[in-house]
Amino acid sequence: GQQLNQSPQSMFIQEGEDVSMNCTSSSIFNTWLWYKQDPGEGPVLLIALYKAGELTSNGRLTAQFGITRKDSFLNISASIPSDVGIYFCAGQSGETSGSRLTFGEGTQLTVNP
Amino acid sequence: EAGVTQFPSHSVIEKGQTVTLRCDPISGHDNLYWYRRVMGKEIKFLLHFVKESKQDESGMPNNRFLAERTGGTYSTLKVQPAELEDSGVYFCASSQYLRGNTIYFGEGSWLTVV
Repeated sequence: GQQLNQSPQSMFIQEGEDVSMNCTSSSIFNTWLWYKQDPGEGPVLLIALYKAGELTSNGRLTAQFGITRKDSFLNISASIPSDVGIYFCAGQSGETSGSRLTFGEGTQLTVNP
Repeated sequence: EAGVTQFPSHSVIEKGQTVTLRCDPISGHDNLYWYRRVMGKEIKFLLHFVKESKQDESGMPNNRFLAERTGGTYSTLKVQPAELEDSGVYFCASSQYLRGNTIYFGEGSWLTVV
């Protein structure tokens, strides 16, 4: 089946630093999504990308949909303690409504104040 | 507007017992999904309902897992009999029936089989 390789698995950074994480796949996706999961909560959508080459920002977060449609990255600028959590990339390949998401294994982010 | 709600939030059961997880999607959302995350691994798709119909159940691990969505509202996921490898977090998610609509996740049901 489809698989996403997400890296890094974990990151330990100082408050104020920038962070970058990415996902690659051997399969093409039509939509790339980035989610964040806080402890004890479910994943919450951060950014959705619908077109190859698309670059989208949401506050301090920026994500890009790779030109080949097989990769995406997420950047967080000027990190703050509340950025702590697990970040997941997800790809969606179907054209119809509601097709399944394929997730990466997650990047555990720790921000030291 | 209430989000996706799941019950129970945590469950510890013995191997061989039965557990039923419940999900109430956001009102009006025809798409309902079940996903599972085993510790340290990726979140994996289990199945997808559109209203009361199973659209895609290719992710269900085996026949010990049974999902239902009677009446197209809430859904249940039953594991019977539970095995140790079934431990993990079971997420329910829902979305409206239009491409590009956000998929909203519940907080998850944390299942531990001992």
